[in-house]
Amino acid sequence: KAGVTQTPRYLIKTRGQQVTLSCSPISGHRSVSWYQQTPGQGLQFLFEYFSETQRNKGNFPGRFSGRQFSNSRSEMNVSTLELGDSALYLCASSLRAGGGGNEQFFGPGTRLTVL
Amino acid sequence: AQKVTQAQTEISVVEKEDVTLDCVYETRDTTYYLFWYKQPPSGELVFLIRRNSFDEQNEISGRYSWNFQKSTSSFNFTITASQVVDSAVYFCALSEAVNSGYSTLTFGKGTMLLVSP
Repeated sequence: KAGVTQTPRYLIKTRGQQVTLSCSPISGHRSVSWYQQTPGQGLQFLFEYFSETQRNKGNFPGRFSGRQFSNSRSEMNVSTLELGDSALYLCASSLRAGGGGNEQFFGPGTRLTVL
Repeated sequence: AQKVTQAQTEISVVEKEDVTLDCVYETRDTTYYLFWYKQPPSGELVFLIRRNSFDEQNEISGRYSWNFQKSTSSFNFTITASQVVDSAVYFCALSEAVNSGYSTLTFGKGTMLLVSP
C-alpha cells in the first residue's frame, strides 16, 4: 500500500509570492491534516479536512488556506509569502476523523524556502 | 489548553547504552491519547506508539518501552541497548477532544537523540 505522498518535495519562492502544496493520502483514508515544522516553533497544526470539509483549524493567519477534493487529496495554499513561512510542511492522513486516537500517517514533507 | 513538554532538547549516548526520553503533558480532558513519533533525518514522522488515557499498562516492543503514569502526567520512552540507527528526533504528542470531529495532535518540541558508535 502506498504511503502518503507530498509534492513537491522542495520549493523555493520569494517574498510576496504564493505557493500551493499537494498531499495524496493513503488509499482509503479520508482525513488529511497539515502541520508546519520550524526550528523555533516546532510542529504546529494548520488544519484538518475530512470528506472535503475543514474540521479544525490551527492558529495561523488567513494567508494559509487549504482544501480537500472528493478523492481525499488535499492542497494547502500560502499567499503573500513571508520569510517566516520557510518551513517543512507535513501532511498526515488517517482513516477517519474524530475519536482523538486515530493513528496519523505522515508524508515526507515539502521543504519550503522563502527568500 | 493542552500542552506537551519534552524538557530534554538533545541527548547523546554511546551505542548499547539505555536512554530514556521524558514527556510531560497537560490536558483538561479525561479522555485523551498520547503518541510517540520518530523523525529520522529524512524528515518523515514515523509512528511508534499510541496509548489512551485509560490504559496505564506499560508497553514493551523489542528494545522500546513506554511508561505511562497519569499521576505525574508523564509518558516516558526508553530505548534499551541503543543503536546508531536510533539517532533521530523523537516527538511526544497529545490528542484530545475524543468526542469531537477531529484528531489534532499537539506536539512537544522534540528530543534529538544522537547515538555514537
